[in-house]
Amino acid sequence: EPEVTQTPSHQVTQMGQEVILRCVPISNHLYFYWYRQILGQKVEFLVSFYNNEISEKSEIFDDQFSVERPDGSNFTLKIRSTKLEDSAMYFCASMQGEDTQYFGPGTRLTVL
Amino acid sequence: GQNIDQPTEMTATEGAIVQINCTYQTSGFNGLFWYQQHAGEAPTFLSYNVLDGLEEKGRFSSFLSRSKGYSYLLLKELQMKDSASYLCAVRALKAAGNKLTFGGGTRVLVKP
Repeated sequence: EPEVTQTPSHQVTQMGQEVILRCVPISNHLYFYWYRQILGQKVEFLVSFYNNEISEKSEIFDDQFSVERPDGSNFTLKIRSTKLEDSAMYFCASMQGEDTQYFGPGTRLTVL
Repeated sequence: GQNIDQPTEMTATEGAIVQINCTYQTSGFNGLFWYQQHAGEAPTFLSYNVLDGLEEKGRFSSFLSRSKGYSYLLLKELQMKDSASYLCAVRALKAAGNKLTFGGGTRVLVKP
């Protein structure tokens, strides 16, 4: 069964450094998402991406964040200058049509 | 905006039935989803309602009343492996990127 994959599974970085989180969505899916979950808190929407552009973003997704689909398979989230409060699990999700979003296993980001 | 409420925690006995309620207030409704999340893992899709009524999938059923802004997830014949958090999520309209807004999750503990 096709799955969303994410790399790395765990990323440790110093405050102020740039990180790129990578996702490979399910191959025939058209809608792509990033969510995050701070430890012990709810899953929060960051951004949605469709037809090679951002379709919606949350207040969390400020100028420090960007997304890209550099080729036909990868979907990346970049944080330009990480802060301590960016420490969280970051989940990528994809959806084929207007049905179910399937989540990847997540990247645990730790900012020191 | 969107507001989603669900109980924080529930305890039930193996073999029993548990019902997890979810109430929501939303400015644009395009479906209600239930996900299961084990600690440290990604949300996995359980059930989806867009119309009023009951959807049954094996041991799991989900009910929706759009007029009341209410849903529940019913877990039957509980097994120890069902100990997890159960997340209620409302999907926004396509114009808002089909994003999911999650409740805080209900942690279910299944006891022998």
